[in-house]
Amino acid sequence: ELKVEQNPLFLSMQEGKNYTIYCNYSTTSDRLYWYRQDPGKSLESLFVLLSNGAVKQEGRLMASLDTKARLSTLHITAAVHDLSATYFCAVGRFYLLTQGGSEKLVFGKGTKLTVNP
Amino acid sequence: GAVVSQHPSWVICKSGTSVKIECRSLDFQATTMFWYRQFPKQSLMLMATSNEGSKATYEQGVEKDKFLINHASLTLSTLTVTSAHPEDSSFYICSARIRLAGPKNIQYFGAGTRLSVL
Repeated sequence: ELKVEQNPLFLSMQEGKNYTIYCNYSTTSDRLYWYRQDPGKSLESLFVLLSNGAVKQEGRLMASLDTKARLSTLHITAAVHDLSATYFCAVGRFYLLTQGGSEKLVFGKGTKLTVNP
Repeated sequence: GAVVSQHPSWVICKSGTSVKIECRSLDFQATTMFWYRQFPKQSLMLMATSNEGSKATYEQGVEKDKFLINHASLTLSTLTVTSAHPEDSSFYICSARIRLAGPKNIQYFGAGTRLSVL
């Protein structure tokens, strides 16, 4: 059974500081996703990481993937208040259908990030 | 980008009634649609996977007679919560997987439906 562990679950940080959120998963995966969720809202896709060593950056967020260690990180640089949200990682596993295939996502528990002025 | 529309965004109902939630892919055909449930301050849990024209596949512990899923076309899936009870109150989110090969072949999420059962 695929398990996805995210830590920390809660993160309170000051504006301007850097921090990293970690996402470990238990078995080989096909893709790794990072999402942002604001209170009462659905998921906003941040990154899709497809292969070992993949690194993607968007603004103050940078995500990386180490498939050998089964670890992905989401690094926050010089945090600002607008980044306050809950961040989820999700691991994608492909499975076969009668015709073609599809992908299931298993989510981590999420990291609630609060950036204080 | 691909847009998934979910309706309604919020519904309040009396215990014992049934509620239907719609999930539409607006500008693409979805080979597969997924239904998730999220309890307050918790993660998303996959309830079922819906493939057009075939029966939905439910995850372990999800009652298929209570959560009826219909995937009538490549752009529409519905989730009906039958005989809803207060413990069914939750945030339900659908996603649709685009019918393309390559990196764009990912899930796109709807805005979610908040269900409150009185």
